[in-house]
Amino acid sequence: TQLLEQSPQFLSIQEGENLTVYCNSSSVFSSLQWYRQEPGEGPVLLVTVVTGGEVKKLKRLTFQFGDARKDSSLHITAAQPGDTGLYLCAGARSSGNTPLVFGKGTRLSVIA
Amino acid sequence: EAGVAQSPRYKIIEKRQSVAFWCNPISGHATLYWYQQILGQGPKLLIQFQNNGVVDDSQLPKDRFSAERLKGVDSTLKIQPAKLEDSAVYLCASSLSAGGPREQFFGPGTRLTVL
Repeated sequence: TQLLEQSPQFLSIQEGENLTVYCNSSSVFSSLQWYRQEPGEGPVLLVTVVTGGEVKKLKRLTFQFGDARKDSSLHITAAQPGDTGLYLCAGARSSGNTPLVFGKGTRLSVIA
Repeated sequence: EAGVAQSPRYKIIEKRQSVAFWCNPISGHATLYWYQQILGQGPKLLIQFQNNGVVDDSQLPKDRFSAERLKGVDSTLKIQPAKLEDSAVYLCASSLSAGGPREQFFGPGTRLTVL
């Protein structure tokens, strides 16, 4: 059973389009992180959300943590080819030194 | 600041052979993680160290996998004997030891192919 379900699994869009990817769970998380991974590299942290309902913006990326802290979304405005990569959400069940649980990721391809 | 270093970057072995991976975390990071990432999936935690002690190894297949961090700095992950299903990227990550959600810094990974 996958604790964190990400959708869609694959997404191919044209440059300039908007998109939203989702990270859902039946479990409550103390915090949730979004990472981006490019081929041949390790994941790189984009954002951490900790409060239910929290919205964070990073340039053209908007991250939201669900009110119940069970789900999250990532919205990209005017996607660019440089946004191409694997987007992973990762949740911590409690604060402190607990392991992260990763979803399977959404593989995004932005075509120029 | 230097990032997390891993070696080798690629390894091809026959099944039933042994293999070892090395990781040097970011200086000062007390927590070190080893993940297995199978193609098409997200990273799965194998083991987490806090300094030289094990915090979580519940998903480490202990009949064939072992890991150590003897001096609380660099770490090795060993597979003996390897199986076909061990083909994956093995990622090492480190983080500062502090309360609350912490950023994990990942190395580039070691891509293992078991034939």
